[in-house]
Amino acid sequence: DTGVSQDPRHKITKRGQNVTFRCDPISEHNRLYWYRQTLGQGPEFLTYFQNEAQLEKSRLLSDRFSAERPKGSFSTLEIQRTEQGDSAMYLCASSFKPGQGMYEQFFGPGTRLTVL
Amino acid sequence: GQQLNQSPQSMFIQEGEDVSMNCTSSSIFNTWLWYKQDPGEGPVLLIALYKAGELTSNGRLTAQFGITRKDSFLNISASIPSDVGIYFCAGQLGGGSNYKLTFGKGTLLTVNP
Repeated sequence: DTGVSQDPRHKITKRGQNVTFRCDPISEHNRLYWYRQTLGQGPEFLTYFQNEAQLEKSRLLSDRFSAERPKGSFSTLEIQRTEQGDSAMYLCASSFKPGQGMYEQFFGPGTRLTVL
Repeated sequence: GQQLNQSPQSMFIQEGEDVSMNCTSSSIFNTWLWYKQDPGEGPVLLIALYKAGELTSNGRLTAQFGITRKDSFLNISASIPSDVGIYFCAGQLGGGSNYKLTFGKGTLLTVNP
């Protein structure tokens, strides 16, 4: 299996602009997660999909954040009207190939967002 | 949000030494995972633990799932320079839709050659 991939790896934007990140999970993994990590902290959960259904959203996910997984494969995370506090590493993870019963989450390399 | 208590925050050791780190929680988890993260990269899974009391090894790494389900330990034997990085523990409740991971703040490991 190829691993989880994320694009872009780095994004610099000006405050107030919209940004969109893409995540491609491990093939046939039906669960996909988004996390945010700031300096000196562990990753914090943002949202989770099972196939195309968004099953859980953290309170960290303000109204400016939206995530989709339209066909149950890749996912996008959009941040509207970015703020300096949005600067962080955005991590995507995937898990669970049906029939294998394993729940480990495998992470992508992340997208580093800097809001000026 | 909730984070696990991970200790120590950092460690400086000599190559060849053994390392121990641990993670505690105020609530129960049904799965514990240990990850290693290098600067600018995503976390890489090292070990997954699924049963209370379970002891699992992966090469020089050994991890244990605490009996109370509220803690976990990671040991690294005979450290080498490439062990440098940040080690994170993560707990997962599981069942229903509770598959999100809750992470500790990490242990920064430095290995002097």
